[in-house]
Amino acid sequence: SAVISQKPSRDICQRGTSLTIQCQVDSQVTMMFWYRQQPGQSLTLIATANQGSEATYESGFVIDKFPISRPNLTFSTLTVSNMSPEDSSIYLCSVEDVPGQGNGEQYFGPGTRLTVT
Amino acid sequence: EDKVVQSPLSLVVHEGDTVTLNCSYEVTNFRSLLWYKQEKKAPTFLFMLTSSGIEKKSGRLSSILDKKELFSILNITATQTGDSAVYLCAPNRDDKIIFGKGTRLHILP
Repeated sequence: SAVISQKPSRDICQRGTSLTIQCQVDSQVTMMFWYRQQPGQSLTLIATANQGSEATYESGFVIDKFPISRPNLTFSTLTVSNMSPEDSSIYLCSVEDVPGQGNGEQYFGPGTRLTVT
Repeated sequence: EDKVVQSPLSLVVHEGDTVTLNCSYEVTNFRSLLWYKQEKKAPTFLFMLTSSGIEKKSGRLSSILDKKELFSILNITATQTGDSAVYLCAPNRDDKIIFGKGTRLHILP
């Protein structure tokens, strides 16, 4: 399976600021995803990061708040903009292994724990 | 609307016990069902199930899917303290995974 790294692993930020989270994969992957896990909750998909085109956002998430870049097949960034305490969460990137073969197995990066004060 | 219900929400057992975790789902364009173990931040992949009635095993863990009843179970035999974690059921539809709230399992030594 792909090896995924994320930076930073954790951060404490002040409200009103922005944080960019990086996700790096050790192999080329077609599909990369960004999730949020709020305290005590399960994982919620924010968006699918598409290489060479705009990300596809899920209901309740907008590009102005969570801009995403996907400059190539091994890297993506998620920015959490104009942060408020409600944005305190774990943010995870994931990739689908063996793309195009319909296996559907997704593997996750180590996550970024964000606390907004 | 897609729905994933896991039960129980939490479970405390003693080391050596066997546990069964349940997952029922309703999703459109179902493709597969995934199980994950989450200890700290990142979920760790356990199983992917695509066919009914075929048990998948990995050591003391096993899982099976019933696509007619829209149900899956995850069994852990001879539990160990290292099995303490949140176990997530996640049906996969159209390249998008829907996560359940998870079962929090705590193994007492």
